[in-house]
Amino acid sequence: QSALTQPPSVSGSPGQSVTISCTGISSDVGSYNRVSWYQQPPGTAPKLMIYEVSNRPSGVPDRFSGSKSGNTASLTISGLQAEDEADYYCSSYTSISTYVFGTGTKVTVL
Amino acid sequence: QVQLQESGPGLVKPSETLSLTCTVSGDSISSYYWSWIRQPPGKGLEWVGYLYYTGNTNYNPSLKSRVTISVDTSKNQFSLNLSSVTAADTAVYYCARQQLLRRDFDYWGQGALVTVSS
Repeated sequence: QSALTQPPSVSGSPGQSVTISCTGISSDVGSYNRVSWYQQPPGTAPKLMIYEVSNRPSGVPDRFSGSKSGNTASLTISGLQAEDEADYYCSSYTSISTYVFGTGTKVTVL
Repeated sequence: QVQLQESGPGLVKPSETLSLTCTVSGDSISSYYWSWIRQPPGKGLEWVGYLYYTGNTNYNPSLKSRVTISVDTSKNQFSLNLSSVTAADTAVYYCARQQLLRRDFDYWGQGALVTVSS
C-alpha cells in the first residue's frame, strides 16, 4: 500500500489560514469517512486533531477543521498561531482493513 | 486518564528479532483495538499492525511476513515482534489505541527508539 500524498510544507503568517491536502485512492480515502489527522511537534508523539474526516476530539481548538472530496481530504487551520507549528499527518482506513499514513506536511508560522 | 508506555531493548543486532511491549493503564485492553506505528528518524509515520484482545490481528502487507503482535490481557499489555531486522527497521516505535468504529488513533505512547546495529 502506498502512502497518502501530502505537500512537504505549507506556511502562513499569524492569523492567516492554511490548508493541507491528503490524496489517496478509491480503496482508501475515496471509500471511507475514516480519515484522521495528527499533529506532531518536534520530539513528541503524534496527537489526534481530527477524526472521521471532520470531527474534533474534546480539547482541540475549533480553528482546526477537516473535509473530504473524492480521493482527497483536507485539513484547514484558521487563525494560524505560533503554537500550530508542527508536522501534520493524515491517515486513512483501507479496503483490506489496514491503515495508511500520509507523507507528512511541515507547517511553518512566519 | 489512559496511558500507554513502550518498553524493550533500544539496540538490536541485524538479523535478530526486535521485541517491544506496550503497557496500558487507565483502561482495559479488552475494549479497543491496539496498534503499533513506527517512524524512522527524520521520516514519516508507518502503520505496522493492530490487534484486538481476542487475538484477531492485521498487519501492514509490506511487513506481514516478519511481524507478530500478541496480547496478555492479564497484564493489560500487548507486544510486537519483528524478525530478521535490518538497519531499515531503525525507528521510533509507538503503541496506540484505536476506537472500534472510528478507526483513528486517539491515545499514543511516548515512543521507544530502537536502533538496529551490530
